[in-house]
This record gives sequence, structure tokens and C-alpha cells, in this order.
Amino acid sequence: AQSVAQPEDQVNVAEGNPLTVKCTYSVSGNPYLFWYVQYPNRGLQFLLKYITGDNLVKGSYGFEAEFNKSQTSFHLKKPSALVSDSALYFCAVRDPNYGGSQGNLIFGKGTKLSVKP
Amino acid sequence: DVKVTQSSRYLVKRTGEKVFLECVQDMDHENMFWYRQDPGLGLRLIYFSYDVKMKEKGDIPEGYSVSREKKERFSLILESASTNQTSMYLCASSLYSGLGTLAKNIQYFGAGTRLSVL
Repeated sequence: AQSVAQPEDQVNVAEGNPLTVKCTYSVSGNPYLFWYVQYPNRGLQFLLKYITGDNLVKGSYGFEAEFNKSQTSFHLKKPSALVSDSALYFCAVRDPNYGGSQGNLIFGKGTKLSVKP
Repeated sequence: DVKVTQSSRYLVKRTGEKVFLECVQDMDHENMFWYRQDPGLGLRLIYFSYDVKMKEKGDIPEGYSVSREKKERFSLILESASTNQTSMYLCASSLYSGLGTLAKNIQYFGAGTRLSVL
């Protein structure tokens, strides 16, 4: 079965420190992987995606993620965290066998990132 | 910029009421989606549509129906609201992703409707 896991419900980081939000996946084919962010009382906003090519993907707001096929992971990273990065982060994988070409995503349960001054 | 607009930010309804949640997108996207978001459960797909008058069930369609009469509008209907349907509802849209092409699968989300069923 296709799935995506975010093993940490919450990540706490001090401002200025590097941050990592973890994501692992399980799909039958080659995955398309996404990160979304949700600020309080807002919808989800797209951060970055991996489709093919370079394993290191750079996205919005200084975030990046590395696709690691052997570890089936797609961890989100940022070299220096900001208080304004505090939000809920969702990893998502496109299931190529569900809905055919319709682009349906499977979302993780979310990780709350808290950046303290 | 893509804009996905959900008609209500907050709704309070009573058990047994018929509830309509409306979503409109302005980018001519083929695909539209309805999710519900619950703490600890992430986003779960209720229904999606890839064309006018077309719909497919997602993971949790029970108790819901949808309507897509126009390309830009996708409605979620709770035929008889129940307390366990109290949740945040998110609408999203995306471009069609054809086989053999780079999938344009970025989903653009509305701000959400927080529904309380009393």
C-alpha cells in the first residue's frame, strides 16, 4: 500500500539553528514528492517538489529537501530557522497507481514546527 | 496567481441539516479536490473531479456528495450533517497531468472552511 510517514508530531528549533522535518514514503513506482506548509488559519501552500533529476530540490522561503531513494526519504531542511517558519508542514507523495493521471496526493499527518527566538 | 476561494471560513450547522460548501478557482484547472483535515490525521481526500460533471470517490466519501456543473466550481454536500463531520474542509485545484509528461501536480488550496455541526 502507498503511504507517507512523518515520524515527528512536533519539531522544536531555536532561531538561527538548522532545521529538519522528516518524511519517508512507500509507493510502488517512482514517487513524486511534495512539501506543503500551513500557517495558522490558512490553507496549504506549496513549498517544493521532486519529480526527477537532481536529488536536492530547492524551494520557497529558503527551504530545500533531499530525495534519498535508498532510504525512501524526502526530508525538509533549512540552514537557519526563523520564528516566522513556525507552522504545520505536510509531506505528500503522488501515488501513480491511484487515479491514473489525475494527480492525487497522499498526505502525511503533518509536523508542527516551532521556532523559538 | 492561482486563486482558490472557499465561500465560507466558518460555518455552524445543526445535526441533520443539508450543508453546501462551495469552492471556486480562477485558473481553468481541470482537477478539483475536497479534503478534510483533522488533528493527527492529516488531510484525507473525500472526493475529486477531473472534469465537469465527472467525480470520483476519495478515501472517505461516506456521508458526502459533490457537484461540478461548471469547470471553475466544485461543491461539497453533506446530505444530513452529523457531529462527526465537524472538521476543517479544504478545497484544492490542479492542472491535468497527462501521462508521459512532467506532472503538473501542484495543488493550490483555498483557505479552508471550519465546519461545526452541533
